[in-house]
Amino acid sequence: GNSVTQMEGPVTLSEEAFLTINCTYTATGYPSLFWYVQYPGEGLQLLLKATKADDKGSNKGFEATYRKETTSFHLEKGSVQVSDSAVYFCALIIGAGSYQLTFGKGTKLSVIP
Amino acid sequence: DTGVSQNPRHKITKRGQNVTFRCDPISEHNRLYWYRQTLGQGPEFLTYFQNEAQLEKSRLLSDRFSAERPKGSFSTLEIQRTEQGDSAMYLCASSKPLAGELFFGEGSRLTVL
Repeated sequence: GNSVTQMEGPVTLSEEAFLTINCTYTATGYPSLFWYVQYPGEGLQLLLKATKADDKGSNKGFEATYRKETTSFHLEKGSVQVSDSAVYFCALIIGAGSYQLTFGKGTKLSVIP
Repeated sequence: DTGVSQNPRHKITKRGQNVTFRCDPISEHNRLYWYRQTLGQGPEFLTYFQNEAQLEKSRLLSDRFSAERPKGSFSTLEIQRTEQGDSAMYLCASSKPLAGELFFGEGSRLTVL
């Protein structure tokens, strides 16, 4: 079956620190990969995505590269802000017409001033 | 442009009672999804509609759960004879076909006493 494994949190960083949240996956097919973010009191929002190997998704200073050889999609940001405090979910979907996202357990990030 | 709307946002009920949640998707989206999220876990797929047709149901959706989308617009998720294990956040999402990106509502939190 398909599964996503994320590094466990919580992660606490000082403002302007470098962020990495690890994500690895197992998939029966050729997945598209996503990072979703959930800010306190809000719904899940798509942060970035990548649909094929070596693609780099980027948004709001966050980046993640689809690495087929290591089955990974690590999330990075060079300088975090307090406003980045949220729960981050790595997810995958198999096939363009598919409907079932498989999520990791989420990683809670807290950024302190 | 309104997003995905879910009601009620929070429901507290006694074990054995029935509850119903409503989801209004983004108007031009013909795909609608229900997910369940328990504390410390990522969302788990429950069921999926394309227009009014329910095309897939997870094994997580026991016989006490029923979902409908009668006119291909809003959807309801009913849980009969609630159990404490049903306590969770119920998330609704919608998408266009083949788009890959799901847009999530803020969720309906169920607490079963």
